[in-house]
Amino acid sequence: GAGVSQSPSNKVTEKGKDVELRCDPISGHTALYWYRQSLGQGLEFLIYFQGNSAPDKSGLPSDRFSAERTGGSVSTLTIQRTQQEDSAVYLCASSLGASSHEQYFGPGTRLTVT
Amino acid sequence: GENVEQHPSTLSVQEGDSAVIKCTYSDSASNYFPWYKQELGKRPQLIIDIRSNVGEKKDQRIAVTLNKTAKHFSLHITETQPEDSAVYFCAARAGNQFYFGTGTSLTVIP
Repeated sequence: GAGVSQSPSNKVTEKGKDVELRCDPISGHTALYWYRQSLGQGLEFLIYFQGNSAPDKSGLPSDRFSAERTGGSVSTLTIQRTQQEDSAVYLCASSLGASSHEQYFGPGTRLTVT
Repeated sequence: GENVEQHPSTLSVQEGDSAVIKCTYSDSASNYFPWYKQELGKRPQLIIDIRSNVGEKKDQRIAVTLNKTAKHFSLHITETQPEDSAVYFCAARAGNQFYFGTGTSLTVIP
């Protein structure tokens, strides 16, 4: 079946603009994660969704970052008033459920803020 | 919260030699430890994982060991091949979150 998909694959935006990044998890996966990967760095946790539970937003770096997950499937990560330090690859991952450990990653969205 | 440290940051080995990457974690509640391989420009791919009730797991040329007492786990790659060249990340799961190491860039020299 189809894996995790993300769009767009690349996004270049001007400082101060808002951007929306999309993630389509694997069908049937109830857990969804967003990570940020800066150049040469590890993965930084941003937010976690599990089913209809309230999301774990503890990793969001500022109030300019927000995320939604509609209908328990597709998720959108929104960054408002983008800054140059927001430039990174944003990765989405899904897993079967809260007790399932294995995450499957999407290809990522490379965001460049000029 | 959990803190995962990974060493070394870069590693070069001759083809056919073994490579070892080590990680430590701080939260004794962490119960799952995956390793990911990320090739340049591609998504991380799970290569092996270990749960806290197991001390060692092997899959062909790849093995992972876990020492819960010392809170460290290691990735071992034997008979390395050029296609093993990539960045490897360790991670620890504590609660809902995965905490990742900063990565090891492995280069296998033909």
